[in-house]
Amino acid sequence: GQQVMQIPQYQHVQEGEDFTTYCNSSTTLSNIQWYKQRPGGHPVFLIQLVKSGEVKKQKRLTFQFGEAKKNSSLHITATQTTDVGTYFCARTPREGGSEKLVFGKGTKLTVNP
Amino acid sequence: GAGVSQTPSNKVTEKGKYVELRCDPISGHTALYWYRQSLGQGPEFLIYFQGTGAADDSGLPNDRFFAVRPEGSVSTLKIQRTERGDSAVYLCASSFPGAGGSTDTQYFGPGTRLTVL
Repeated sequence: GQQVMQIPQYQHVQEGEDFTTYCNSSTTLSNIQWYKQRPGGHPVFLIQLVKSGEVKKQKRLTFQFGEAKKNSSLHITATQTTDVGTYFCARTPREGGSEKLVFGKGTKLTVNP
Repeated sequence: GAGVSQTPSNKVTEKGKYVELRCDPISGHTALYWYRQSLGQGPEFLIYFQGTGAADDSGLPNDRFFAVRPEGSVSTLKIQRTERGDSAVYLCASSFPGAGGSTDTQYFGPGTRLTVL
């Protein structure tokens, strides 16, 4: 299936700075999911976006789904050292139910204390 | 158990050998997925089960890879005649059908790191 493209591949910030990662697709997405993987850990589900133009917030994290459902972003306000890890977006071929995930290559975030 | 468990956590084998990797999903989760993750890459789908049957095995790279889930719970990923290129972290995930039209949330296990020498 079509892979999703993530940029940047790496991001290094000072603690307190903001961070944004972008996920882009050439085709319309039925939904987009975001995962976080700490160093040495496994992917942990953060959120799923389904609706065009959807915006969801989790504390300092803001997730957006584009109006055309071809892109998404994750923004972290005032990063902390606990935000370190790799952030992946993932798509499913179809909407709903049990489906395989197609992951992007991820954005690796490092935070300088 | 509280989460998805995978055994062993690490497996070192020699080229040409056979290996089995085990996944124990969250109790009651009907769907089970296998992915593999190479260094610096996102997880890559291999196969997923709905109950005992393989609903989608399109990600298995070749016929050296096989997976079973005979009783609809524990699954085993089997790799024959291992090659150095098979070295990766093999991740298992499970999910339970959710309400409405949203895609099920997948819960990942800690993975098995396979090294083929």
